[in-house]
Amino acid sequence: DTEVTQTPKHLVMGMTNKKSLKCEQHMGHRAMYWYKQKAKKPPELMFVYSYEKLSINESVPSRFSPECPNSSLLNLHLHALQPEDSALYLCASSQADRGGGYTFGSGTRLTVV
Amino acid sequence: DQQVKQNSPSLSVQEGRISILNCDYTNSMFDYFLWYKKYPAEGPTFLISISSIKDKNEDGRFTVFLNKSAKHLSLHIVPSQPGDSAVYFCAASVLTGGGNKLTFGTGTQLKVEL
Repeated sequence: DTEVTQTPKHLVMGMTNKKSLKCEQHMGHRAMYWYKQKAKKPPELMFVYSYEKLSINESVPSRFSPECPNSSLLNLHLHALQPEDSALYLCASSQADRGGGYTFGSGTRLTVV
Repeated sequence: DQQVKQNSPSLSVQEGRISILNCDYTNSMFDYFLWYKKYPAEGPTFLISISSIKDKNEDGRFTVFLNKSAKHLSLHIVPSQPGDSAVYFCAASVLTGGGNKLTFGTGTQLKVEL
């Protein structure tokens, strides 16, 4: 299995809702990532988990709350989002102790209304 | 501070010709450089990478060249095919104490015309 699976593919939520994005990989990767991509912009790093511990938080607002329940799963809990948080949210995984690239999921298209 | 830059937002090439996409970077600590291909509303797809200790890596129609002294890399696609039309992101990675951090350039929209 060489894939990163993200669910749901599309999500529409109100500003008072609570929702979660899910990500799963079975490649034995011990680093997992959340990126955010706005239209016509490059992906921007939000969080890095290394060996199931949060290792990098790129000053992301607390309305985004990541969770790594085990080495295969990564969640992003969403609460009280703003319309400007609408974007494509990408999960990725990689080897934790080697440089190089990631394997990305296909993303969740989030719209906040 | 944009550490990875792609100065050409778009490139148009005839089918069968060579496509050359360029990327510049500023951080000497990057240890790998990568190219990703992306379609709208999909995740980036890895194409090819190069270690900072190499100057060339080739994989089929794709070749990446790295010029460390100029802090410049390029992706050559030959021959170009219509299916290559997509946004291409240059990316650079650095292994930090917190993990493997990947920084993307701004992207180049490649259009391969018949």
